[in-house]
Amino acid sequence: DTEVTQTPKHLVMGMTNKKSLKCEQHMGHRAMYWYKQKAKKPPELMFVYSYEKLSINESVPSRFSPECPNSSLLNLHLHALQPEDSALYLCASSQPGQNYGYTFGSGTRLTVV
Amino acid sequence: SQQGEEDPQALSIQEGENATMNCSYKTSINNLQWYRQNSGRGLVHLILIRSNEREKHSGRLRVTLDTSKKSSSLLITASRAADTASYFCAPTGPGGYQKVTFGTGTKLQVIP
Repeated sequence: DTEVTQTPKHLVMGMTNKKSLKCEQHMGHRAMYWYKQKAKKPPELMFVYSYEKLSINESVPSRFSPECPNSSLLNLHLHALQPEDSALYLCASSQPGQNYGYTFGSGTRLTVV
Repeated sequence: SQQGEEDPQALSIQEGENATMNCSYKTSINNLQWYRQNSGRGLVHLILIRSNEREKHSGRLRVTLDTSKKSSSLLITASRAADTASYFCAPTGPGGYQKVTFGTGTKLQVIP
């Protein structure tokens, strides 16, 4: 299995809702990442997990809460989002360390209304 | 971490022609990666070139790296309509393996 699977593919949520994005990989990668991408912009790094521990938080607002329950699964919990949080959310994984490329999922298109 | 800067921002070519896009960066790197993104989809890793390498090939892709000029180029030969996508470089510095950051990319259109 050489894929990163993200669910759902599309999500519409209200500003008072709580929802979660899910990311799964079975490649044995021990580093996982969340990126946010707005239209016509490059992906921006949000969080990095290494060996199931949060190693980098790029000053992301607390309404985004990541979780890594095991080495194959990465969640992003969403609460009280704003319309400007609407974006494509991308998950990626890699082997930790230098000289490894990332494998990306196809993303979750999030719309906050 | 650091961000690459791609040039040109947009490129339109006929099918069968070659496409060249460039990436410049500011500080020392361990490697430089290239990714492709089709519209609204996830990124696909194309190639990684290490700082001690000067050239690397993968199928119709050729990547060069000049660390003295802090620049890299991606050449796609004999382009196809399916190559239409945005291409991003990601220079990765020492200790920065976990913070791959992307420049604004080159948007390539291959006209059939």
